[in-house]
Amino acid sequence: KAGVTQTPRYLIKTRGQQVTLSCSPISGHRSVSWYQQTPGQGLQFLFEYFSETQRNKGNFPGRFSGRQFSNSRSEMNVSTLELGDSALYLCASSLSYGTSTYEQYFGPGTRLTVT
Amino acid sequence: GIQVEQSPPDLILQEGANSTLRCNFSDSVNNLQWFHQNPWGQLINLFYIPSGTKQNGRLSATTVATERYSLLYISSSQTTDSGVYFCAVNAGGTSYGKLTFGQGTILTVHP
Repeated sequence: KAGVTQTPRYLIKTRGQQVTLSCSPISGHRSVSWYQQTPGQGLQFLFEYFSETQRNKGNFPGRFSGRQFSNSRSEMNVSTLELGDSALYLCASSLSYGTSTYEQYFGPGTRLTVT
Repeated sequence: GIQVEQSPPDLILQEGANSTLRCNFSDSVNNLQWFHQNPWGQLINLFYIPSGTKQNGRLSATTVATERYSLLYISSSQTTDSGVYFCAVNAGGTSYGKLTFGQGTILTVHP
């Protein structure tokens, strides 16, 4: 079974621009979560999508948004990029039944640099 | 929200030594995972262990949910074990898909 894939792997953007990152989950997984990793803040939860609906959101400004498609693939978008948005963005997929969250599997990440 | 604390923050070992990494969490959880992050940033799943004990080769883990801690044991360490080890928990309820991570333990194994 193929693992979680993320594209692109590396990205360089300029302040003020916007960016879209993509995540394809493991086949059969309908829950996709996104995380931001920075040296100062560590790994922080951005949001989770299940069956095209955002079920949970972390403490990030509205510039960070996402969506999920009917095939469970997910995208996240960051608008009006700031220098502080430079980070490794990780997505994870898992099975999910009701309120239970099962083992999460992570993709290789997208490393975003904002200049 | 739930807090996760890992110790020690840094660990330096000689190849062949054993080590124990600890993860304390502040509230009950329905999911606990241990990860190893490789130099390229990929998080590798080590254990999914909300309670009990599991073993996988030289690695084993124990979670005592009632006392809110988990331990990761690495025996006969190798240089390839170097990297950052994370503990992450899900608090259940409405915490859909949210893992809360500790700050990690940086392990360095010297030959």
